[in-house]
Amino acid sequence: DVKVTQSSRYLVKRTGEKVFLECVQDMDHENMFWYRQDPGLGLRLIYFSYDVKMKEKGDIPEGYSVSREKKERFSLILESASTNQTSMYLCASSLTGQANHFGNGTRLTVT
Amino acid sequence: DQQVKQNSPSLSVQEGRISILNCDYTNSMFDYFLWYKKYPAEGPTFLISISSIKDKNEDGRFTVFLNKSAKHLSLHIVPSQPGDSAVYFCAASAFGGSGGSNYKLTFGKGTLLTVNP
Repeated sequence: DVKVTQSSRYLVKRTGEKVFLECVQDMDHENMFWYRQDPGLGLRLIYFSYDVKMKEKGDIPEGYSVSREKKERFSLILESASTNQTSMYLCASSLTGQANHFGNGTRLTVT
Repeated sequence: DQQVKQNSPSLSVQEGRISILNCDYTNSMFDYFLWYKKYPAEGPTFLISISSIKDKNEDGRFTVFLNKSAKHLSLHIVPSQPGDSAVYFCAASAFGGSGGSNYKLTFGKGTLLTVNP
């Protein structure tokens, strides 16, 4: 069974802080994704990666960056957190052409 | 520009009856469609998918129907159970496409299904 693990379930950060959200998958999937989920807006793709050191912008990349140094790990970075980045962040992984498998999410609150 | 639309934010049905969740899409390049279920404080769980070469796919109580000419798909749950109460997301991808399009999913906003005992 695929396991996607997000390092934190809940995070509280202050405006202006640099925030790292970590995600690890154990199924050797080539693709990894970061989404955010907000009420009434569904899941929106922030960034994705289809190979180590490769990244592509999703639909809402502004204010975020990512890092993929190893195949199993995909990090989302908020360079300077703002209150409008308060959200549920979901990491996913997949084989190309197949369904995304999601982690349980990180609820980030920026105060 | 919302390419995947779930126009019903919520749906309430009685236990044992059929639940029908609907989804419309606008991008004619989409060739693979999926449904996910999400409980509060958990990540979405993959339910069922359908390729554009099919018009129906069944898995137990779950059936997905695809009408390509109408750019419409639906998820039928029969019989509905209280444990099915969750938010359901429709998603689509252009897996046959090129560049980044064949990796990523585009999600709808979700429909909250409540199954009453």
